[in-house]
Amino acid sequence: DADVTQTPRNRITKTGKRIMLECSQTKGHDRMYWYRQDPGLGLRLIYYSFDVKDINKGEISDGYSVSRQAQAKFSLSLESAIPNQTALYFCATSDTLADYEQFFGPGTRLTVL
Amino acid sequence: AQSVTQLDSHVSVSEGTPVLLRCNYSSSYSPSLFWYVQHPNKGLQLLLKYTSAATLVKGINGFEAEFKKSETSFHLTKPSAHMSDAAEYFCVVSGFFSGYALNFGKGTSLLVTP
Repeated sequence: DADVTQTPRNRITKTGKRIMLECSQTKGHDRMYWYRQDPGLGLRLIYYSFDVKDINKGEISDGYSVSRQAQAKFSLSLESAIPNQTALYFCATSDTLADYEQFFGPGTRLTVL
Repeated sequence: AQSVTQLDSHVSVSEGTPVLLRCNYSSSYSPSLFWYVQHPNKGLQLLLKYTSAATLVKGINGFEAEFKKSETSFHLTKPSAHMSDAAEYFCVVSGFFSGYALNFGKGTSLLVTP
């Protein structure tokens, strides 16, 4: 079984809709991250969380919110989706005692029409 | 602030020839550096990492990278390309003052021709 899972894997939605992307991990890591990938831009950090009570904005947090429901779960929400949020979204985890190597989920492909 | 610059957006090599993917970094402090690979329609896989130990780092699938502080470089190499190496490669920097989040380069697309 995968250590970092993301649901859904693909989603098509319309402008203005609220969308939630979910991430779960079984690695026991304390840190979790959300990134988005756009062609030619690499991955950019949206939000990160060091533990359940510690959530921080990343480079491109506008238009997004997150919730760390438990150590193992980290959700990303788009309150009112817009077309330029069409992208591939990755969740990642890391352990503070493991050289900060991050482990990535398989990604969620989101299309906003 | 920490950042990386991947000097080539596309690299094309023939199967069996060496691969060189170039990356320069910028960091005020001792960085951790990584190379990740993404095959088409796949997630991200760690190739190798540098975290202030040996400057020559060996990774999976025959890849290696050398940390050169004087040149602020962390180039990825492989002696002999295989068709299965065709993918997108990302140079990444992480560090204490960024909350250990990863700063990705824009990627280098490696094409391997027969």
